[in-house]
Amino acid sequence: QVTLRESGPALVKPTQTLTLTCTFSGFSLTSSSMCVSWIRQPPGKALEWLALVDWDDDKFYTTSLKTRLTISKDSAKNQVVLTMTNMDPLDTATYYCARTKYSPSWFPYFDYWGQGLLVTVSS
Amino acid sequence: SYELTQPPSVSVSPGQTARITCSGDALPKKYCYWYQQKSGQAPVLVIYEDSKRPSEIPEKFSGSSSGTVATLTISGAQVEDEADYYCYSTDSSDNHRVFGGGTKLTVL
Repeated sequence: QVTLRESGPALVKPTQTLTLTCTFSGFSLTSSSMCVSWIRQPPGKALEWLALVDWDDDKFYTTSLKTRLTISKDSAKNQVVLTMTNMDPLDTATYYCARTKYSPSWFPYFDYWGQGLLVTVSS
Repeated sequence: SYELTQPPSVSVSPGQTARITCSGDALPKKYCYWYQQKSGQAPVLVIYEDSKRPSEIPEKFSGSSSGTVATLTISGAQVEDEADYYCYSTDSSDNHRVFGGGTKLTVL
């Protein structure tokens, strides 16, 4: 059974750095074609893909936030960590981690999601 | 940047067929994926690679793609199918992985 769970602070202040941890089970991030992604969703708005780390430790980021994001993995602990610097109230959102697989055309898609963590940015 | 365009809302009566479209310039060459998100819950994958259905998803959900438009079809829609539906794909160079703006399906 595949499960993912997000953890981290529910409230951060503007300009602070957000650190989120995804703890997963039911699959291994050392298996070929396995990845974990972070996706966020502001209240009442659409989903936005943020970052991905794959089994080979390759990392990919959405262009608009690339300078603020860092993704890393600890395969032994079954964890993936996302940091986002210089937080702004516009970053208020539910942050999801998701197991990610590559399609035959090497396009990553999300087949299992965590329940999400609402992060509010406010002073 | 790249955009996928969905209608904000679709409404059908119980038992009718609901069709939700997703438009994108790269869809003739790129797969489309569909996610269902019920209120307060995480998204669930309902269609992958344009038309494939995960084993746990009911047969009432189907997908197709023609030209620049991908379509999610829900046959015999019921109240429990009410949700936001998002398409997901990428641009022709795989540089921008994006979700559509979402479509709210109402069954009443």
